[in-house]
Amino acid sequence: DGGITQSPKYLFRKEGQNVTLSCEQNLNHDAMYWYRQDPGQGLRLIYYSQIVNDFQKGDIAEGYSVSREKKESFPLTVTSAQKNPTAFYLCATRGAEVGNYGYTFGSGTRLTVV
Amino acid sequence: DAKTTQPPSMDCAEGRAANLPCNHSTISGNEYVYWYRQIHSQGPQYIIHGLKNNETNEMASLIITEDRKSSTLILPHATLRDTAVYYCIVRGETSGSRLTFGEGTQLTVNP
Repeated sequence: DGGITQSPKYLFRKEGQNVTLSCEQNLNHDAMYWYRQDPGQGLRLIYYSQIVNDFQKGDIAEGYSVSREKKESFPLTVTSAQKNPTAFYLCATRGAEVGNYGYTFGSGTRLTVV
Repeated sequence: DAKTTQPPSMDCAEGRAANLPCNHSTISGNEYVYWYRQIHSQGPQYIIHGLKNNETNEMASLIITEDRKSSTLILPHATLRDTAVYYCIVRGETSGSRLTFGEGTQLTVNP
């Protein structure tokens, strides 16, 4: 069925390692987003992309990188420069149908640095 | 996007109606009101949205005041599974591509 697939669901990383979180969608949506959520906190925007081959920094982009080579895919790399990467990461897309500009979210990836 | 204000937490008895308020006094004419909820450790789930008129679907009802400066999400018969954080967001076609979530309302449904 249509939706967003985030993988893996749980990810463990050693300090100093880069790690890439996958986000794939089959909704044919142009806009895609990455959010970070810490325990008991709201969602904070990391990066977003409105169209293929284009993306913008969100509020907390330092230590992260993204690419948007295909409409369906928007992977997020957590680099070693991210000082506190342990968090819940959510990918989302935005619709563009008249009267419905809402968002669809994936089920998230929980990243833990060990 | 218009800023929204929600109470940080609310309680509701199981089987009773849960009424979650949201203030959005700076909403513009082309902006819709959206409601999402997030159950612990899951991605936010769309509930309902509206522009001017009240809306109802299988999950909830949305009541928007005539001046559109506030709205109320109504869960008519709350169950324990409705315990979640509820987010009210205002957006329109020309709102730009950023989406900002506030802190939302933690709704706890008690047995």
